Amino acid sequence: RKEVEQDPGPFNVPEGATVAFNCTYSNSASQSFFWYRQDCRKEPKLLMSVYSSGNEDGRFTAQLNRASQYISLLIRDSKLSDSATYLCVVNYSGTYKYIFGTGTRLKVLA
Amino acid sequence: DVKVTQSSRYLVKRTGEKVFLECVQDMDHENMFWYRQDPGLGLRLIYFSYDVKMKEKGDIPEGYSVSREKKERFSLILESASTNQTSMYLCASSTTRTGFHFGNGTRLTVT
Repeated sequence: RKEVEQDPGPFNVPEGATVAFNCTYSNSASQSFFWYRQDCRKEPKLLMSVYSSGNEDGRFTAQLNRASQYISLLIRDSKLSDSATYLCVVNYSGTYKYIFGTGTRLKVLA
Repeated sequence: DVKVTQSSRYLVKRTGEKVFLECVQDMDHENMFWYRQDPGLGLRLIYFSYDVKMKEKGDIPEGYSVSREKKERFSLILESASTNQTSMYLCASSTTRTGFHFGNGTRLTVT
């Protein structure tokens, strides 16, 4: 089993739709969690950190479920410009080790 | 705003050549990383460094070495490039509590 798993997609959604991705992790010692966005042939860019209490940034909401060992990303009112690959990243407590998921591809259709 | 700069955007090298990939960050971050990214495999850690002159192997260090003589600079070295090292190489920096900030990547082709 991979340490961090994501559904590769693609998720094809119409503009204005709400879409959610999950990312599961296997190591309960994981401490820090992040969502990154990567556009085609570009570097990943930090979208948001994921806090235990959940956090929201505009149309984006990230949540952590430690009991079930997954994090989620919810995008409301999808825009064409949201089309990208979304990577989840998990850091193990007390280490420099960051594990990347292979990403979920989102296509927002006009 | 954090800036991580990789010296080359595209590189084409021949098999057997020694290749240097340079990375510089301007935010005084302790940690620096080199990843490669391949379709279907995601990002895989090659080496990382948590301080000047300190380095640790990642998941796929074979065929690579690194150098960190100054805090802001982390170099990846391919001692003898091979075709299976054709990939996108990404440098990143971070502090212990923040996420990564990536450079814009070097797309290396080894022929």
